[in-house]
Amino acid sequence: ETGVTQSPTHLIKTRGQQVTLRCSSQSGHNTVSWYQQALGQGPQFIFQYYREEENGRGNFPPRFSGLQFPNYSSELNVNALELDDSALYLCASSLARGGQNTQYFGPGTRLTVL
Amino acid sequence: KQEVTQIPAALSVPEGENLVLNCSFTDSAIYNLQWFRQDPGKGLTSLLLIQSSQREQTSGRLNASLDKSSGRSTLYIAASQPGDSATYLCAVNSGYSTLTFGKGTMLLVSP
Repeated sequence: ETGVTQSPTHLIKTRGQQVTLRCSSQSGHNTVSWYQQALGQGPQFIFQYYREEENGRGNFPPRFSGLQFPNYSSELNVNALELDDSALYLCASSLARGGQNTQYFGPGTRLTVL
Repeated sequence: KQEVTQIPAALSVPEGENLVLNCSFTDSAIYNLQWFRQDPGKGLTSLLLIQSSQREQTSGRLNASLDKSSGRSTLYIAASQPGDSATYLCAVNSGYSTLTFGKGTMLLVSP
């Protein structure tokens, strides 16, 4: 069974650019959540996708957007990058969207905005 | 809005000590609570998950307890080792598998 994978591992962008991060969910999982973890902070919920539709969103502006594909893999897109977007971006998948389901995390993508 | 607080923010102990990490949350309507370990610059490793109907979970030298009514959880680490050095994060699941995290406790175990 393959775990959650993310790509790329590291990324450096400049302010104003756009970035796409990718996540492959664990086999059989139809729900993907994205989190942002700034240095020294706990992860913060960005949004969740369930069966290709957004299923909840945290306190992040619209320039943070996402997609989920039929194979349940997912993308996180960030437009008009700002310096404060520098963070570790974590993807987590779960078997379903129910509250009792465990989330399994990927290794993360480290984004640096210069 | 759910808020999670972890105390202490940092902890330094000599090898062999037993230690307790604390987590508190403001809304007791949770599905479960999870403790994670994070090594510097790395992703999250799940250590223990306690469902809302449970009082504790154990895995090896780790024991996590949950008092949902008072909004508290503790992670007990027995006989600490240098390899236990990491940041420990507490997260509560209040619905739809979205987690609210604390800021973590940075643990350093010295030989």
